[in-house]
Amino acid sequence: GAGVSQSPRYKVAKRGQDVALRCDPISGHVSLFWYQQALGQGPEFLTYFQNEAQLDKSGLPSDRFFAERPEGSVSTLKIQRTQQEDSAVYLCASSPSVGQPSWGYTFGSGTRLTVV
Amino acid sequence: AQSVTQLGSHVSVSEGALVLLRCNYSSSVPPYLFWYVQYPNQGLQLLLKYTSAATLVKGINGFEAEFKKSETSFHLTKPSAHMSDAAEYFCAVRVSNTGNQFYFGTGTSLTVIP
Repeated sequence: GAGVSQSPRYKVAKRGQDVALRCDPISGHVSLFWYQQALGQGPEFLTYFQNEAQLDKSGLPSDRFFAERPEGSVSTLKIQRTQQEDSAVYLCASSPSVGQPSWGYTFGSGTRLTVV
Repeated sequence: AQSVTQLGSHVSVSEGALVLLRCNYSSSVPPYLFWYVQYPNQGLQLLLKYTSAATLVKGINGFEAEFKKSETSFHLTKPSAHMSDAAEYFCAVRVSNTGNQFYFGTGTSLTVIP
């Protein structure tokens, strides 16, 4: 596609419910990132994929968070047993490059998760 | 450790006035610095980036930023604010030896007063 697509745009979950957030990166982009943006804060790194390999998951806040990219394109961020502190906008970004820190990314519009 | 500090969570300027959004960074190695803009309910859009070439970087929509190593700053400016500039602005840093992720500041919300 022309941009990074994320779905759903909005998700309301009851506390304790499992959720799955989807990211469709730009076709052919090797690198894929997930960020969490709490209200009034800047995005914070969650995890990084290079193709299907998850190379860095140091930002995942707990073992309730799990991400995958099995075929090196679409990625899913799963949150189990959601808690109120999980409420945030989850941003996905992709880049055609590998290990090029001078590159910017293309970000999706995000999924706003509200846990009630 | 790498970090970014944005001074002023909210900035208001009159239409046509100078825009100045401040960003200071902390990095143990030469950084790559970025400014992103976020409009309501949208993702982040790259405004400009510093990659160790020219210290004065020009971006989209008339914005520019100057890298000052001695001050560890990368402030964003625009000579004349337009109503459409109202948005949230994020400064971010990437360094080559800490993986590929960005470290973002907490953002500055720009209001343009007609």
